[in-house]
Order: sequence, then structure tokens, then C-alpha cells
Amino acid sequence: QQQVKQSPQSLIVQKGGISIINCAYENTAFDYFPWYQQFPGKGPALLIAIRPDVSEKKEGRFTISFNKSAKQFSLHIMDSQPGDSATYFCAASIGGTGNQFYFGTGTSLTVIP
Amino acid sequence: DTAVSQTPKYLVTQMGNDKSIKCEQNLGHDTMYWYKQDSKKFLKIMFSYNNKELIINETVPNRFSPKSPDKAHLNLHINSLELGDSAVYFCASSHQGRAGELFFGEGSRLTVL
Repeated sequence: QQQVKQSPQSLIVQKGGISIINCAYENTAFDYFPWYQQFPGKGPALLIAIRPDVSEKKEGRFTISFNKSAKQFSLHIMDSQPGDSATYFCAASIGGTGNQFYFGTGTSLTVIP
Repeated sequence: DTAVSQTPKYLVTQMGNDKSIKCEQNLGHDTMYWYKQDSKKFLKIMFSYNNKELIINETVPNRFSPKSPDKAHLNLHINSLELGDSAVYFCASSHQGRAGELFFGEGSRLTVL
């Protein structure tokens, strides 16, 4: 059973465009929602994270939008650049414990110059 | 300085062999993990250790045996390798209670022939 559902599986965006990746969850006990970025041949790296008491968090060109009532959250990449081409994973956890931490299935983003 | 380092980066071996992957972190974290990433990029947790104590042991064949000599090291030994074990294995670490903030190594790509 997939605890965190992520879409789309792959995404192609023109340089300068907005990339949007969506995730949904069911367990309302989740209290931390990070996004990880993984470049080919590298390990995933924490990109940005949000807690459910806020609806939006922005760091540079990356923004998480969080809709608690819909149990959905999304990553927006503004002014997408070819260097943003990577696989993005959403995730959710409860209480910071490793045995209640779940990754989404990943989205492969390609930004075309 | 590399925060989470794994060796070897690549491993090619024959079915039935035994192999080990080593991991070390210099972040002062007390929790370490092994993740498996398959060809579809899906990340699956295998094990987690907190201060040398096993706290997560997902449904993994008992051919896989983790060992943590101290809280900065977590090694993975695999016996009787099978074709299906081919994957990228990632070591990660975090502070206790902050499992959502994972620091990953660069991965060890295992190919079983």
C-alpha cells in the first residue's frame, strides 16, 4: 500500500516554465512533508520541507503548497532551468521516526533548453 | 569532507557470491539507514540502526545482514547474491527523531550477473 502517491511519473518542461509535482496522502497523522532531489548517479538530497500548520513554504525558486483538507501537497519550481533536471521525491513522516517515513514513487523532471 | 560515504561505488559480481558494502558518516548523527533503489527509482527502506541498535528491519531476505560497529558506521553484507539483488543501495543518516531529514550517500550500484 503506497502511503504517499506522487504524480506525474515524468514531466518535461521548457526552460523558464513552471514545473509542478503533486503528492497525496491519507494518514492525517503525518506531520512532516519533505521533498528530495536526486541527480543521476547521486543520492537524494533534502530540497525543501513543510509542516502541516502552514499552507506554503518558499525557498528561492522552489515552493511547497500544502492543502491539509485535501490531504495534498505539491512542489512548484518557478523559472525552471536545465540544471533542475532530476528525479524528485515527495515524502511524509510521523513524529520523526524512521519506521513511519514514506517516500513517493518519484517524478523524473526534464527541463528543455 | 564527504558527509555520508559508501564503498564501493560499483560492484559487479556473480550469482551466489557474498559481498559487503560499507558506510560511514561524519555528521554526528545517531541513526543510520540502508535503502534500496530499484530500476524504477523506487526507494525502499531496508534497515535502520539507532546508536548501534536495530530499530527497523523491513521484509528483507535474511541473506541481507546489517552490522553497526559504532554509530558512525553501518555496513551491509549480502550472502548468496541473486539476480534480483541488482539495484543501487543507499546509506543514509539522520538525527534521532528527525527521520524526515535524511542525508544520503552517493550509492553503491550492485550488478549481479
